[in-house]
Amino acid sequence: GAVVSQHPSWVICKSGTSVKIECRSLDFQATTMFWYRQFPKQSLMLMATSNEGSKATYEQGVEKDKFLINHASLTLSTLTVTSAHPEDSSFYICSARDGKGSRETQYFGPGTRLLVL
Amino acid sequence: GENVEQHPSTLSVQEGDSAVIKCTYSDSASNYFPWYKQELGKRPQLIIDIRSNVGEKKDQRIAVTLNKTAKHFSLHITETQPEDSAVYFCAASQSQFYFGTGTSLTVIP
Repeated sequence: GAVVSQHPSWVICKSGTSVKIECRSLDFQATTMFWYRQFPKQSLMLMATSNEGSKATYEQGVEKDKFLINHASLTLSTLTVTSAHPEDSSFYICSARDGKGSRETQYFGPGTRLLVL
Repeated sequence: GENVEQHPSTLSVQEGDSAVIKCTYSDSASNYFPWYKQELGKRPQLIIDIRSNVGEKKDQRIAVTLNKTAKHFSLHITETQPEDSAVYFCAASQSQFYFGTGTSLTVIP
């Protein structure tokens, strides 16, 4: 399957700082990427859909000014957690859409574990 | 929006037995149903998927069935092995993926 990377794999930061997470599609171009958040022993919750060259679409309840998404190229989307607080601590996973029509699916990055102190 | 329910939340089976996980969805427009396996601390891995024009798909010990009329689909794992132990997620999609709540499968040697 297609390869999606994520960086960093994990980060510890102080409350109030901003953290940027990168998601890259390594062997394909992805016009659409997705950002998920996963709490321990829970499912993946879709935060936003990142579209190359246009604004991201956020799910209900997700603050767009808190979670800034930029999809500047066909292989890179970034999620910036602004002014992070302890409640933002979570596992953040991106995915990228690959293929067309009946062959289309999503491939996930390895995730970024964020701990805000 | 789409609402995906998944049952059971936990499942323990003896090695060699079969495991079945069921999901229901609400949006009749959903047309793609992947299943992911996630081991602790790792990314979800696609294990099998099915599209709405097909009722059943099989890949070795793993099979998925889809009933579009009833809006439910199931994952079947036969001859389970300890390495099948993980959390399994179903999803329903038209464009975005909406995930079920997950099933923690434990295969007892």
